[in-house]
Amino acid sequence: KAGVTQTPRYLIKTRGQQVTLSCSPISGHRSVSWYQQTPGQGLQFLFEYFSETQRNKGNFPGRFSGRQFSNSRSEMNVSTLELGDSALYLCASSVPGQHYGYTFGSGTRLTVV
Amino acid sequence: GNSVTQMEGPVTLSEEAFLTINCTYTATGYPSLFWYVQYPGEGLQLLLKATKADDKGSNKGFEATYRKETTSFHLEKGSVQVSDSAVYFCALITGGFYGGATNKLIFGTGTLLAVQP
Repeated sequence: KAGVTQTPRYLIKTRGQQVTLSCSPISGHRSVSWYQQTPGQGLQFLFEYFSETQRNKGNFPGRFSGRQFSNSRSEMNVSTLELGDSALYLCASSVPGQHYGYTFGSGTRLTVV
Repeated sequence: GNSVTQMEGPVTLSEEAFLTINCTYTATGYPSLFWYVQYPGEGLQLLLKATKADDKGSNKGFEATYRKETTSFHLEKGSVQVSDSAVYFCALITGGFYGGATNKLIFGTGTLLAVQP
């Protein structure tokens, strides 16, 4: 069974631009979450989607947004990029419920210059 | 609020040594507990999990026991290999069986393990 697929793997953007990252969950997984990983802040929760609805959102500015489509694929968007947005962005999918854990993709490495 | 504390790294061991990485947590309710591993340039891989008190999760020679009385979930392996070199993250999630408002993973800061031949 295919894993969680994130595209692109690497991205270089300029300050002020916007970026869209994509995540395809494991087939049958309807819950998709996004995390930001940086050396300074570690792993931080961005948001979670289930059945096209955002169920939970982390403490990030409104420049960070996301959505989920009817096939459970998800995208996240960051507008007006700042240097501090440089990070590894990880997507994870799961069957709903706390007992199952999340399966992560390999991530998108975003570099803002 | 919910939080996870894990021992600072790096942890440097010789091959075949015994490994312990400490993890303690603070949580309301009854969290599920996880260990994830991250190899260089990769995403996170679920290593093992435990969903209730006294459960023992195990995988690839790694073990961790959910201790509610000490709010701990320490990771152990009897004999590490060079291929175990990675960053290990302890994490918890709350939210109920069918998911809920707090259904998100809370991670520790990660512990770098370096195993030397």
